[in-house]
Amino acid sequence: GAGVSQSPRYKVAKRGQDVALRCDPISGHVSLFWYQQALGQGPEFLTYFQNEAQLDKSGLPSDRFFAERPEGSVSTLKIQRTQQEDSAVYLCASSLMGLAGSYNEQFFGPGTRLTVL
Amino acid sequence: AQTVTQSQPEMSVQEAETVTLSCTYDTSENNYYLFWYKQPPSRQMILVIRQEAYKQQNATENRFSVNFQKAAKSFSLKISDSQLGDTAMYFCAFTRGGGATNKLIFGTGTLLAVQP
Repeated sequence: GAGVSQSPRYKVAKRGQDVALRCDPISGHVSLFWYQQALGQGPEFLTYFQNEAQLDKSGLPSDRFFAERPEGSVSTLKIQRTQQEDSAVYLCASSLMGLAGSYNEQFFGPGTRLTVL
Repeated sequence: AQTVTQSQPEMSVQEAETVTLSCTYDTSENNYYLFWYKQPPSRQMILVIRQEAYKQQNATENRFSVNFQKAAKSFSLKISDSQLGDTAMYFCAFTRGGGATNKLIFGTGTLLAVQP
């Protein structure tokens, strides 16, 4: 596709339900990021993949949050036993992987708005 | 730890006028990048402009320019000839260089409204 896509765009869950959010990065992009954006706030880093390897998960708020990218392309963010404080927009971004010391632009998807009732 | 601060929750500007959005940051790194991102109501985050810390020259992209003051750790965005389509949330962001994860650290944003 032309850009990063995410599905579903909107998700309503009852407290305690498990949810799975999908991210399709730009074809050929090695790096994939997940961010959480609470209402009225800036995005906050959750986790980072380089191909299928999860190299940084320091931003995951609890062990209820789990992310995977088994084939180095599509990624899924799973939240178990959702709580009201999990309500947010979840953004996915992908980028090329350049030489050490360089920076490659992160391209963002439209996000998934999760509402936990 | 790195932090990014945007002290203007909301700004308003008349169409065709110029507006400046403020951002300060804190880091002990020498190699880093700074960004301004635009997030329209549709939520897709778009990169507006990027500044490498090692470059003294301020970045410019058409109507958008930055004032990068490294010693003061200040990074403001100037939008000239404001257009209605510039209405959006604007986020200042930071990332470390040097082959790090390149995760972005964002400020809390400034909501810019361009008035006709």
